[in-house]
Amino acid sequence: GAGVSQSPSNKVTEKGKDVELRCDPISGHTALYWYRQRLGQGLEFLIYFQGNSAPDKSGLPSDRFSAERTGESVSTLTIQRTQQEDSAVYLCASSLLGGTVGNTIYFGEGSWLTVV
Amino acid sequence: TQLLEQSPQFLSIQEGENLTVYCNSSSVFSSLQWYRQEPGEGPVLLVTVVTGGEVKKLKRLTFQFGDARKDSSLHITAAQPGDTGLYLCAGASGGNDYKLSFGAGTTVTVRA
Repeated sequence: GAGVSQSPSNKVTEKGKDVELRCDPISGHTALYWYRQRLGQGLEFLIYFQGNSAPDKSGLPSDRFSAERTGESVSTLTIQRTQQEDSAVYLCASSLLGGTVGNTIYFGEGSWLTVV
Repeated sequence: TQLLEQSPQFLSIQEGENLTVYCNSSSVFSSLQWYRQEPGEGPVLLVTVVTGGEVKKLKRLTFQFGDARKDSSLHITAAQPGDTGLYLCAGASGGNDYKLSFGAGTTVTVRA
């Protein structure tokens, strides 16, 4: 499909294990975003990639979280030593340009992470 | 603590009725967006408002941005079951307008 693709769609992991979540943005989109959505809460900004600029990592909640992006394509969000409070839906989004004005941000369906 | 407060949290109405969802903050935003999210899917952008006092209409949906750019409302006229979903407002501010602050959402159910 032509939308933002995320995998896995569901992941159950044991506390303390590492997990990797993958995002394939829409082809040609220079901007890529990761958000976290906990049950009953709004989306929380995690990280933003724009072209070759240094990413804005200001939303990452701890040093257990990291993300990489290969050029203007695939991105991977890694959570090390998972904790139960990491359980959430992790949403990836991409857009042609950065920002909100005159620009549409397209979200993937998310990766539902459950830490047991 | 949510930067953007949405009310009500839940709304259940009969088909054909009108509804209004509110999004309030003590912060000023350079732009504000409304999204709709259905179960198992990501949010889908409905509208972006950028000017204080701005009103935008999208078929039966009317969006308003407050004069001070701190609040917004979404009004749906003659709601239909297809309007059912989670409505999220999100604001961007300053030079980092790629970084959205989301409200917790309003779950709207339209009964046939």
